[in-house]
Amino acid sequence: DIQMTQSPASLSASVGETVTITCGASENIYGALNWYQRKQGKSPQLLIYGATNLADGMSSRFSGSGSGRQYSLKISSLHPDDVATYYCQNVLSTPWTFGGGTKLEIK
Amino acid sequence: EVQLQQSGPELVKPGASVKISCKASGYTFTDYNMHWVKQSHGKSLEWIGYIYPYNGGTGYNQKFKSKATLTVDNSSSTAYMELRSLTSEDSAVYYCARESLWLRAMDYWGQGTSVTVSS
Repeated sequence: DIQMTQSPASLSASVGETVTITCGASENIYGALNWYQRKQGKSPQLLIYGATNLADGMSSRFSGSGSGRQYSLKISSLHPDDVATYYCQNVLSTPWTFGGGTKLEIK
Repeated sequence: EVQLQQSGPELVKPGASVKISCKASGYTFTDYNMHWVKQSHGKSLEWIGYIYPYNGGTGYNQKFKSKATLTVDNSSSTAYMELRSLTSEDSAVYYCARESLWLRAMDYWGQGTSVTVSS
């Protein structure tokens, strides 16, 4: 199975700041990487697919980058509404494994 | 509007089985894979498996192969997941999620079903 390692596990930042979450795969996943946002009490929501593509309806303040084994999610101009846990997901091969999650809080 | 409506919370005894449902609406049910994901309290997401409603084809995470069985009823556009021989380790929220085949991602999720295993 492909292991996905996210960092940091938690993050606290101020409104207006830019933050970056990283996700490392145990092997090359050729950009087959998705990001999901899960707000407290809600279901996960697709945020980024194919490493760099913004899902419909999601804010352009979110952007994804990376290739090979290393990927990142950048959130620009942090809003209070961005408080959530973010997960990366390998979709190169089954099982579709998730990272451990990054819990984002606002200072 | 695409919607996935899951069945309500379950409280089940150790050793028992439970069957969770996920009723789809707003799209052609047989055209999209349906995935199931587990989220234990305080833990990350785990992919259980998927089913292709068109032909009932399935794929499982080896970890859940003896635990979960995925089925569908195309006449009611409903996907099911049965969990058997339940233990406290199976207490979690379980989500169904539709796969967008061209995005290769889970683009719509159910609201989640809480399963609590307790005597």
